[in-house]
Amino acid sequence: NAGVTQTPKFQVLKTGQSMTLQCAQDMNHEYMSWYRQDPGMGLRLIHYSVGAGITDQGEVPNGYNVSRSTTEDFPLRLLSAAPSQTSVYFCASRTRTGGAGANVLTFGAGSRLTVL
Amino acid sequence: GDSVTQMEGPVTLSEEAFLTINCTYTATGYPSLFWYVQYPGEGLQLLLKATKADDKGSNKGFEATYRKETTSFHLEKGSVQVSDSAVYFCALSDRGTGNQFYFGTGTSLTVIP
Repeated sequence: NAGVTQTPKFQVLKTGQSMTLQCAQDMNHEYMSWYRQDPGMGLRLIHYSVGAGITDQGEVPNGYNVSRSTTEDFPLRLLSAAPSQTSVYFCASRTRTGGAGANVLTFGAGSRLTVL
Repeated sequence: GDSVTQMEGPVTLSEEAFLTINCTYTATGYPSLFWYVQYPGEGLQLLLKATKADDKGSNKGFEATYRKETTSFHLEKGSVQVSDSAVYFCALSDRGTGNQFYFGTGTSLTVIP
């Protein structure tokens, strides 16, 4: 099925470890983004990309890196994990062109990260 | 800046009760408005949307009307079911900010039989 695929679904890290959350979409969407979801705070934008080779920071970018080498993939890297990064992470994408599907975010199922 | 404020939860209703979840927004431009739903263990899914004033979005018995004069987009359903138990997020997307999305904090709904 077409959509946004995130891996892994669950991950436990120790403080200081690094890891990459993977995100892939097969809808040819130009725009991709990463959010974190924390209780009582809704979704907060970490980083986003409007196309291959272009990335920008969102509301809470510190501690995270991204790259966009292809239209399909948008990995999120934690270089040195901290307990404050314990959260549920969502990747989302959308097309930037017109039509009924324009400007509608499609979300992945989420990745639950625990940092001890 | 742009923001969304929605009714705090959790909300618990009996099956067939009427549901209202309030949502108000602040935007610099002329935003599109959305309701997303998150079922347990899943990602967010679009429930409905409205792109201009007085538009009514509807889906699965849920409705919301874009009210520019009150900057509101309240979600309603006339008769909730147990299967509607989920977290509901109000959101806006503003062309003035490059179509970035801004989400409310979410309202958890539990429907009991």
